[in-house]
Amino acid sequence: GENVEQHPSTLSVQEGDSAVIKCTYSDSASNYFPWYKQELGKGPQLIIDIRSNVGEKKDQRIAVTLNKTAKHFSLHITETQPEDSAVYFCAMTYYNQGGKLIFGQGTELSVKP
Amino acid sequence: GAVVSQHPSRVICKSGTSVKIECRSLDFQATTMFWYRQFPKKSLMLMATSNEGSKATYEQGVEKDKFLINHASLTLSTLTVTSAHPEDSSFYICSAPQGTSGGAGETQYFGPGTRLLVL
Repeated sequence: GENVEQHPSTLSVQEGDSAVIKCTYSDSASNYFPWYKQELGKGPQLIIDIRSNVGEKKDQRIAVTLNKTAKHFSLHITETQPEDSAVYFCAMTYYNQGGKLIFGQGTELSVKP
Repeated sequence: GAVVSQHPSRVICKSGTSVKIECRSLDFQATTMFWYRQFPKKSLMLMATSNEGSKATYEQGVEKDKFLINHASLTLSTLTVTSAHPEDSSFYICSAPQGTSGGAGETQYFGPGTRLLVL
């Protein structure tokens, strides 16, 4: 079935450094790739998303890149801050599944001051 | 972004009782909503798709008689955990796509989650 593999499962960086999280998927029909940030005890918050007709999207310190040929997409956070510490989930959906999201396993990001 | 609310945020109940969780889209209409379950330090597991005006669609392995879903209006879906047991303790989260068809590519917004503890 459809799945998304997310790596790494944990990531520790120093404040100010960059963080990169990568997800790979198996279904070439996938066409929408959101990234969510989840803080402890809260629901996931959408931070950025990308659709299959675009290769890169940027929003201030956050960027997402998509390589449809290789079937992977990545989240890039630059100039990390302690408040970026959270669990990040990639997800994907595709045209014939009514909007259902398939989630990656999550990455626990820790930004050390 | 759009706002999705859930109520209650936390509930503790005795084994054998039923618990109802509400999910509301506050500033948009949602013909489709999704219910997820999340265990500690794990990813979100889709339980079911809630469809306004029709029956919910459950994922494989999810008991539809155990987790009753009702999508009463374009802004409200409810999840009722019937005859709850300790193994039902979990974090339940709903989401709603900001669109009218619930199709792929629509931005999905999540509620804040409901922590259920069954004693």
